[in-house]
Amino acid sequence: DADVTQTPRNRITKTGKRIMLECSQTKGHDRMYWYRQDPGLGLRLIYYSFDVKDINKGEISDGYSVSRQAQAKFSLSLESAIPNQTALYFCATSDYNGQGAGGYTFGSGTRLTVV
Amino acid sequence: GENVEQHPSTLSVQEGDSAVIKCTYSDSASNYFPWYKQELGKGPQLIIDIRSNVGEKKDQRIAVTLNKTAKHFSLHITETQPEDSAVYFCAASIHGGSQGNLIFGKGTKLSVKP
Repeated sequence: DADVTQTPRNRITKTGKRIMLECSQTKGHDRMYWYRQDPGLGLRLIYYSFDVKDINKGEISDGYSVSRQAQAKFSLSLESAIPNQTALYFCATSDYNGQGAGGYTFGSGTRLTVV
Repeated sequence: GENVEQHPSTLSVQEGDSAVIKCTYSDSASNYFPWYKQELGKGPQLIIDIRSNVGEKKDQRIAVTLNKTAKHFSLHITETQPEDSAVYFCAASIHGGSQGNLIFGKGTKLSVKP
């Protein structure tokens, strides 16, 4: 099984619908992240969580919300999807411990299309 | 906050040639610089990283160099192969205390022609 699992892999939804993207990890990492990837814009941070009780907005949080249900689970919701939220979404984890550690481990991504 | 610029956005090389991707960062406190490779249909994967206490690190055909004075770091791939074709991202972060979030460059699409 993958260390970071994202579901679904692909999703087509209609404008105005609520949709949830799910992420689970077996790395045992405290930190989890949601990124959005658009062509030419790289990886943009939506939300991040340092632990179950610590959730923070990233640079493009408008229109999104998150829930950290457990150390291993971090879900991203679009309350009312709009076409410009069509993108590739990635979840990532980090074992950063305040003293320097490795980089992120990414999931395989969810390709979301809003029509 | 930190800003990371990455160049070029696209790079095409012949198989066997070398490829160099360059990044600059703005925050002199940044001290951790990883590189990620994203193959088609997959998530980014860490391929090499460097910390600010070293100037160069190598792993087989890939190497990363860091110039703290100029605030730039580069990825070097030698003897390129078709399987090196991918999108590469650089990133920077400050390790220490409550920091640690990576700031990514916008990516470089590398194409290696057989």
